[in-house]
Amino acid sequence: ELKVEQNPLFLSMQEGKNYTIYCNYSTTSDRLYWYRQDPGKSLESLFVLLSNGAVKQEGRLMASLDTKARLSTLHITAAVHDLSATYFCAADNNNDMRFGAGTRLTVKP
Amino acid sequence: NAGVTQTPKFRILKIGQSMTLQCTQDMNHNYMYWYRQDPGMGLKLIYYSVGAGITDKGEVPNGYNVSRSTTEDFPLRLELAAPSQTSVYFCASSDQGRGNTEAFFGQGTRLTVV
Repeated sequence: ELKVEQNPLFLSMQEGKNYTIYCNYSTTSDRLYWYRQDPGKSLESLFVLLSNGAVKQEGRLMASLDTKARLSTLHITAAVHDLSATYFCAADNNNDMRFGAGTRLTVKP
Repeated sequence: NAGVTQTPKFRILKIGQSMTLQCTQDMNHNYMYWYRQDPGMGLKLIYYSVGAGITDKGEVPNGYNVSRSTTEDFPLRLELAAPSQTSVYFCASSDQGRGNTEAFFGQGTRLTVV
């Protein structure tokens, strides 16, 4: 059964700092996703990674995928307060999509 | 663009009551999903469907039923509601098999069972 683990679960950063969120998954996965969720809101898609070595960037966020290590990372560059949210990774295998527990990111001035 | 629409947004049920959470999407997506999210936790997959007439169990299907009679609609049925089913329920859809296959989520249904 596909399991997805994220770490850290909680992350408090200062503005301007860099940090990385890690996502491991247990079995071969067809795709790896990153989503953002603001408190009380729904999920917003950030990235879809389809192949080994895939790297995607949007603003201060960059996601990468290493299928051999079954690892994806979400790198935050020069964090700003607006990035405060919960970030989820998800992987799919055999048509269902499983989520990690989420990383609650707080960016402080 | 409506995207994925869930109704109702909020509901309070008494133990033992039943209800149907509605989900409809207007993007002609073949895949649809139901998740539950408990406070401070990630999403757990309840059921999913890869097309009309086809449904499969996810991680936590007990106490729920689904049907997929059309591409657009994927209702989730709760029979004999229990306090453990208090959660926020999200419906999602995606266009699997056609490249960029991100899932689009509805706004959620906040359910309380008392």
